[in-house]
Amino acid sequence: DGGITQSPKYLFRKEGQNVTLSCEQNLNHDAMYWYRQDPGQGLRLIYYSQIVNDFQKGDIAEGYSVSREKKESFPLTVTSAQKNPTAFYLCASSTGRGVLETQYFGPGTRLLVL
Amino acid sequence: EDQVTQSPEALRLQEGESSSLNCSYTVSGLRGLFWYRQDPGKGPEFLFTLYSAGEEKEKERLKATLTKKESFLHITAPKPEDSATYLCAVQASEKLVFGKGTKLTVNP
Repeated sequence: DGGITQSPKYLFRKEGQNVTLSCEQNLNHDAMYWYRQDPGQGLRLIYYSQIVNDFQKGDIAEGYSVSREKKESFPLTVTSAQKNPTAFYLCASSTGRGVLETQYFGPGTRLLVL
Repeated sequence: EDQVTQSPEALRLQEGESSSLNCSYTVSGLRGLFWYRQDPGKGPEFLFTLYSAGEEKEKERLKATLTKKESFLHITAPKPEDSATYLCAVQASEKLVFGKGTKLTVNP
């Protein structure tokens, strides 16, 4: 089955610790995205990548970093500089080949601070 | 600045009681509008894409419509399994702008 997988489902971070969230897709999509979802707020874009080895900051990139070494993978690192990391993190992908593209989402990772 | 506003924030219906959810937007150069369904603790599930004013799309008990300023998601004779948060998003550039969602609860 084609789809997007995210791991882990739950992640706990200690003060001063960097943690990495995994996102993998087997849809052969070129574009991938990371969003953050907080209660009562819309999804906010953290980073996106339209092609391997290239990525752009979204609206709330501070305290986060990404890499895109493979087409299938787009890991997100939450660094110690992110002071309020507790949230639900969603990865999405799209074909990256059109003016208007549907983004398909993974199941999400919930990050909690110990 | 592109903005998306969804109303109401929460809606409670009895099974079989039809209603509509609203998504109003201000954006320069709308490319398209998307509706998603999100269950608690899950990722959003794609429902519809609408491209131009006057367009309508249907899927089971759901029908989405689009005007130049807003979109409606009509729910006909809802069932308890339609309970979820419905998200609206617009695309003007390469990015999507999401509303905060409408939480729908359908009681049996």
